[in-house]
Amino acid sequence: AQSVTQLDSHVSVSEGTPVLLRCNYSSSYSPSLFWYVQHPNKGLQLLLKYTSAATLVKGINGFEAEFKKSETSFHLTKPSAHMSDAAEYFCVVSDGEGYGGSQGNLIFGKGTKLSVKP
Amino acid sequence: GAVVSQHPSRVICKSGTSVKIECRSLDFQATTMFWYRQFPKQSLMLMATSNEGSKATYEQGVEKDKFLINHASLTLSTLTVTSAHPEDSSFYICSARDMGRGRVTEAFFGQGTRLTVV
Repeated sequence: AQSVTQLDSHVSVSEGTPVLLRCNYSSSYSPSLFWYVQHPNKGLQLLLKYTSAATLVKGINGFEAEFKKSETSFHLTKPSAHMSDAAEYFCVVSDGEGYGGSQGNLIFGKGTKLSVKP
Repeated sequence: GAVVSQHPSRVICKSGTSVKIECRSLDFQATTMFWYRQFPKQSLMLMATSNEGSKATYEQGVEKDKFLINHASLTLSTLTVTSAHPEDSSFYICSARDMGRGRVTEAFFGQGTRLTVV
């Protein structure tokens, strides 16, 4: 079974400093991994996704994540935080892509709230 | 990118009444739709998965008679919360994917519905 662990429930950084949001996963096969961002009372926006291509994935708004199979990690980073980055971030693993009977469901981590101080 | 429209964004209803939430895929065929519920400061919990034209598959612990899901067309799924009670107050989000033969899209999310039962 797949699972996702986000190691920090809350991360606080100063504007202009780097951001690191940690995520570890477990999967019985080669997973698809995603990072989504959720601003208050809004839906989810896809930041980036890993689907067995390049291990370093670049997303929107300057975010990127590196898939490390040996560490079962998929940490999200950004070189310089902006005030508008303050939101909740979810690391997500897919239970499959709809083949072989899988439902293509997404399993969400518990989320990391990112605060950005001026 | 593909757009999923969820309506209404916010609803307040009296205890005992029913509320219908709509989820529409605007520019693709959503063969599979997912309904999630998010409690305050918690992650998203999958409630049910529906494939167009067939009965929804509910997750353990989700009352199918209370949360009625209809996925009658490739662009529309509805979630009806029947006989709502204050404990049903939550943030509900739909997600849609095209998982038809030869096609697998990423999951696109609606903007969410904030339900308050008074």
